[in-house]
Amino acid sequence: GAVVSQHPSWVICKSGTSVKIECRSLDFQATTMFWYRQFPKQSLMLMATSNEGSKATYEQGVEKDKFLINHASLTLSTLTVTSAHPEDSSFYICSARDRTASGSYEQYFGPGTRLTVT
Amino acid sequence: SQKIEQNSEALNIQEGKTATLTCNYTNYSPAYLQWYRQDPGRGPVFLLLIRENEKEKRKERLKVTFDTTLKQSLFHITASQPADSATYLCALRNSGNTPLVFGKGTRLSVIA
Repeated sequence: GAVVSQHPSWVICKSGTSVKIECRSLDFQATTMFWYRQFPKQSLMLMATSNEGSKATYEQGVEKDKFLINHASLTLSTLTVTSAHPEDSSFYICSARDRTASGSYEQYFGPGTRLTVT
Repeated sequence: SQKIEQNSEALNIQEGKTATLTCNYTNYSPAYLQWYRQDPGRGPVFLLLIRENEKEKRKERLKVTFDTTLKQSLFHITASQPADSATYLCALRNSGNTPLVFGKGTRLSVIA
């Protein structure tokens, strides 16, 4: 089945530093990738949608200069949290869409990355 | 604004019984409704997808119904087991290449 990996699975960084999270589709090509953020006991909140080779579309309230998204290939997207602050501590989950032959646009999720900013 | 409500934050049931989880939505006409399982510290795992023109879908011990008039989906796990304990998420999306939007989830605990 379709597998999405994320790296790292967890990271601790100091306030003011930047952190890069990688998302890869391992056995399929993902024309679209999504980044979500999840706070404890909360829902997954969509941060941005990225299509390969073009700029990401950010949801309202998400700062694009703070959360840099690069989708340079059909199997890799990266999220960089710049100048991280403690309030950015969260669980970040990427998702990749594989356009199946039926066009059902199945969406597969990575295992998530736990970011803790101290 | 669009809202997805999973009206039980937590549900405890006895092993062997049927668990029924509810998902209601407002200001939305989704083309697809999906259910996911999420374990602590992990990403969501896809369980079932149902389309707007379908009333019911089954997969092994799982059953999902979709009532577009009531704007509601019910998710059933029959013969529940302690291993079914997890958070179950309802997610909706429109047709085409649009993102999934999630409810808060229901934390199910199956007690032996």
